[in-house]
Amino acid sequence: AQTVTQSQPEMSVQEAETVTLSCTYDTSENNYYLFWYKQPPSRQMILVIRQEAYKQQNATENRFSVNFQKAAKSFSLKISDSQLGDTAMYFCAFMNNAGNMLTFGGGTRLMVKP
Amino acid sequence: KAGVTQTPRYLIKTRGQQVTLSCSPISGHRSVSWYQQTPGQGLQFLFEYFSETQRNKGNFPGRFSGRQFSNSRSEMNVSTLELGDSALYLCASSLAEGGFNEQFFGPGTRLTVL
Repeated sequence: AQTVTQSQPEMSVQEAETVTLSCTYDTSENNYYLFWYKQPPSRQMILVIRQEAYKQQNATENRFSVNFQKAAKSFSLKISDSQLGDTAMYFCAFMNNAGNMLTFGGGTRLMVKP
Repeated sequence: KAGVTQTPRYLIKTRGQQVTLSCSPISGHRSVSWYQQTPGQGLQFLFEYFSETQRNKGNFPGRFSGRQFSNSRSEMNVSTLELGDSALYLCASSLAEGGFNEQFFGPGTRLTVL
């Protein structure tokens, strides 16, 4: 079974600054997908960024980028130029290559301060 | 294209009752997954349905069941409700056409058990 751990329950950052959210996971599989989801107060889960394990290049989506370290089983999210709208819960999630089941970490509550 | 819809959005039940939640996936999506979100246990996978068949199941008691109809709409049922079943229930749909399939989440149903 896979496990996903987010060691930072809460974080805060000043608007326009950069913040990094940590995530580690445990799996015996070689092919899988990793995701960061955002859940704002509205509770709507939104996919922020994804990474295929077979790709060495780190994924980027505008202000969001990841640092994927496969050997260390680490998958951190960097948010640049933080905006007030980035305030939300952020979940790291794992999906194996075979199924449609997401395993989530416990989440990090991010507060962007003006 | 309309997003994933869930009904009802809010529900209050008493212990011992049963409840049925509904999820309508994005048009063309054939897979529907259900997740339970609680403050204590976080986000946990319940089950996934594809082409009217349960394809994956999480570690939940038999009181939790689901089904999928030919139009891909899905329902989940919880019988003999317990206080601990109070949660946000999220469903997600995906194309499920091999390889990576992004899961699109609905707004959730907030269930309160009194």
